[in-house]
Amino acid sequence: AQSVTQLGSHVSVSEGALVLLRCNYSSSVPPYLFWYVQYPNQGLQLLLKYTSAATLVKGINGFEAEFKKSETSFHLTKPSAHMRDAAEYFCAVILYGGSQGNLIFGKGTKLSVKP
Amino acid sequence: DVKVTQSSRYLVKRTGEKVFLECVQDMDHENMFWYRQDPGLGLRLIYFSYDVKMKEKGDIPEGYSVSREKKERFSLILESASTNQTSMYLCASSLRRGAGDTQYFGPGTRLTVL
Repeated sequence: AQSVTQLGSHVSVSEGALVLLRCNYSSSVPPYLFWYVQYPNQGLQLLLKYTSAATLVKGINGFEAEFKKSETSFHLTKPSAHMRDAAEYFCAVILYGGSQGNLIFGKGTKLSVKP
Repeated sequence: DVKVTQSSRYLVKRTGEKVFLECVQDMDHENMFWYRQDPGLGLRLIYFSYDVKMKEKGDIPEGYSVSREKKERFSLILESASTNQTSMYLCASSLRRGAGDTQYFGPGTRLTVL
């Protein structure tokens, strides 16, 4: 079975500091991996996705993530945090098999950015 | 741009009422999904559909049903709402049945059952 673990339900950084949000997955087959962002009172928006091409994936708003098979990780980073990055971030993996490729989500990490 | 719309942003209902949550997508997507989102639990899949009149149970289907009479519309039904169904409900759609397709989300409906 596939699953996703996000380490840290809350992360706080100062404006201009590095953002690192951690995601580990378990999968018996090569996965497709996603990061979504949810701003307050809104739906989820795709930040980036890994689909077995380049291991370093660049997304919107300056975010990127690196797929590391040996560590079963797909951590999200941004070199310099902005106040507008304050949101909740979800890592997700595709579940294979007869379920049409359903997403399995992590529990989310809420990012706070201090001035 | 893909657009997924949900009929209400906020909804307040009473215990025992029948509740309909509507979702419409405008990009001819095959797949549609209903999730509920609760603090600390992330998103959990209630039902999904990969074709008109087709539906499959997700992880937490109890207390819910769905309807997909037209390709662009996917409805979530709470036959008899209960307080433990107070939650944020998110609809999503994706293009086709293959793995790796991006799911596009609506803005969500925050349902409160009193």
